[in-house]
Amino acid sequence: DAGITQSPRHKVTETGTPVTLRCHQTENHRYMYWYRQDPGHGLRLIHYSYGVKDTDKGEVSDGYSVSRSKTEDFLLTLESATSSQTSVYFCATGTSGRIGLDEQYFGPGTRLTVT
Amino acid sequence: GQNIDQPTEMTATEGAIVQINCTYQTSGFNGLFWYQQHAGEAPTFLSYNVLDGLEEKGRFSSFLSRSKGYSYLLLKELQMKDSASYLCAVRDTDYKLSFGAGTTVTVRA
Repeated sequence: DAGITQSPRHKVTETGTPVTLRCHQTENHRYMYWYRQDPGHGLRLIHYSYGVKDTDKGEVSDGYSVSRSKTEDFLLTLESATSSQTSVYFCATGTSGRIGLDEQYFGPGTRLTVT
Repeated sequence: GQNIDQPTEMTATEGAIVQINCTYQTSGFNGLFWYQQHAGEAPTFLSYNVLDGLEEKGRFSSFLSRSKGYSYLLLKELQMKDSASYLCAVRDTDYKLSFGAGTTVTVRA
């Protein structure tokens, strides 16, 4: 398994506050992804990165920003948290995404509650 | 974009076989994945299909028909530890994954 950690694992915050979630990997994988998981919706892609300083939007990017200044770290920021952003957030990594299998490896998740 | 459908829940008996179907409509296709997710845990990779046909991996098999936009995951000799959610995911030509909502499988003794 890829060494992927997420911090914090649990967080409760108030509406309107900024929140930053961190994903750290030790596998030197080029690709990193942020998903959110909600009942009835499955996993939905928020943002992804295909290299240091190279990021792009996913399906549900509104209200979120990301940064990747090092290969091993991918940060997700909720600029002004809303109750609709209460969710479980998963980080994932992948190698090249260009050839063959290249499955994604998932971190343990962060449970975020916005009150 | 992708539209991926799979049943919400299935129940089966220990030792039995269960087949989880997944249908998809896609604007670009570059592989189909199945992931297993136990409650409160991260998804873990189970299988991958990019060409039509059956891929077998121990007690788990996955089938793909690209012309029909259809896949299934077959779980044989069910064990209690197989109680989990099973996620179907399609990779597009931009190498992003789109996931179905997941099928919760409950294995009863």
